[in-house]
Amino acid sequence: EPEVTQTPSHQVTQMGQEVILRCVPISNHLYFYWYRQILGQKVEFLVSFYNNEISEKSEIFDDQFSVERPDGSNFTLKIRSTKLEDSAMYFCASHTGGNQPQHFGDGTRLSIL
Amino acid sequence: DAKTTQPPSMDCAEGRAANLPCNHSTISGNEYVYWYRQIHSQGPQYIIHGLKNNETNEMASLIITEDRKSSTLILPHATLRDTAVYYCIVRVVYNFNKFYFGSGTKLNVKP
Repeated sequence: EPEVTQTPSHQVTQMGQEVILRCVPISNHLYFYWYRQILGQKVEFLVSFYNNEISEKSEIFDDQFSVERPDGSNFTLKIRSTKLEDSAMYFCASHTGGNQPQHFGDGTRLSIL
Repeated sequence: DAKTTQPPSMDCAEGRAANLPCNHSTISGNEYVYWYRQIHSQGPQYIIHGLKNNETNEMASLIITEDRKSSTLILPHATLRDTAVYYCIVRVVYNFNKFYFGSGTKLNVKP
């Protein structure tokens, strides 16, 4: 069964450094999302992306965040200057649209030192 | 999107049916009910979804009350691997709508 894949599984970065989290959505999906989950807390929506542009973003998704679909398969989340509070699990999700469910990857654990 | 209420935790004996309730009393006519689960810190795993009819797949059954104000996810024969946090999410269906995850129900399946 096709699945959403995310790399790396764990990323350790110094505070202030840039980090890029990568996702390969399911191939026929059109809608893409990033969520994050701080340890012990709820899964929170960050951003949705469709037709090469952001559809919606949360207040968490400030100017230090950006997303890109650089080619036909990858979907990336960039954090420009990381902060300690960016430490979290980041999940990518995708779906075909309408009432179809979003499918999630297993996430990237981002640790900021 | 309508708010959901779930018990924080439930226990279930291995091999027995697990019935996880969800209250969504403010649901509107164009909102679907989705169930996901999260095992440890893995990504949320889709289980099942429905609008008003009961649904069944290889993982579970979803029972939605006639007034649609509540639903129950049924795992017919729970195993230890079903220990997870289960999320009930109500979502207006348009194409790029996000999911709101609440706190969910921690299901503990015990031998």
